[in-house]
Amino acid sequence: QKEVEQDPGPLSVPEGAIVSLNCTYSNSAFQYFMWYRQYSRKGPELLMYTYSSGNKEDGRFTAQVDKSSKYISLFIRDSQPSDSATYLCAMARGSNYKLTFGKGTLLTVNP
Amino acid sequence: DGGITQSPKYLFRKEGQNVTLSCEQNLNHDAMYWYRQDPGQGLRLIYYSQIVNDFQKGDIAEGYSVSREKKESFPLTVTSAQKNPTAFYLCASRPNQGLREKLFFGSGTQLSVL
Repeated sequence: QKEVEQDPGPLSVPEGAIVSLNCTYSNSAFQYFMWYRQYSRKGPELLMYTYSSGNKEDGRFTAQVDKSSKYISLFIRDSQPSDSATYLCAMARGSNYKLTFGKGTLLTVNP
Repeated sequence: DGGITQSPKYLFRKEGQNVTLSCEQNLNHDAMYWYRQDPGQGLRLIYYSQIVNDFQKGDIAEGYSVSREKKESFPLTVTSAQKNPTAFYLCASRPNQGLREKLFFGSGTQLSVL
């Protein structure tokens, strides 16, 4: 079983839709959970960061972590064509540990 | 502007040839990383360095080599031993303090085999 599982999609939605992206993981030692956004042929950029369980909201984006289920989610409200990108989940055991990335989900938001 | 610069943007390798990908940063970060990205495979760690003159193998180091002689520079050599080198290569650095989970990535190098 891979440490981090992420459905690669692709996922295609109409503009204004609510998007749900998810990852599961097997290593209970993970404490730091991140979502990176990567536009085509560019380097990823950190979008959301959560420590331990709970929710975090930033504008149209909400990150959720459920450590009991080993499941993390990213919700995008009122999706825009500019949200079209690959979304990678990432996790780490601690701030000095290397990150483990999911495979990424390719999202297309159609105008 | 502070950031990570990767060059070249596109690189072609002939069979049996070694090629070197450049990565330079002016962020004063100690830790630097090399990732390989294949379609549908996410980011896989090749090598990382936490400090000058020190580096460790990642998950897929075979066929690759690195050096870290200067804090600013972390070049990656794809050797002829790497039989399937075609991929998008990303270099990253990590802040020394603060939000250390925020990796800073370069714009990548696409390596293809002729």
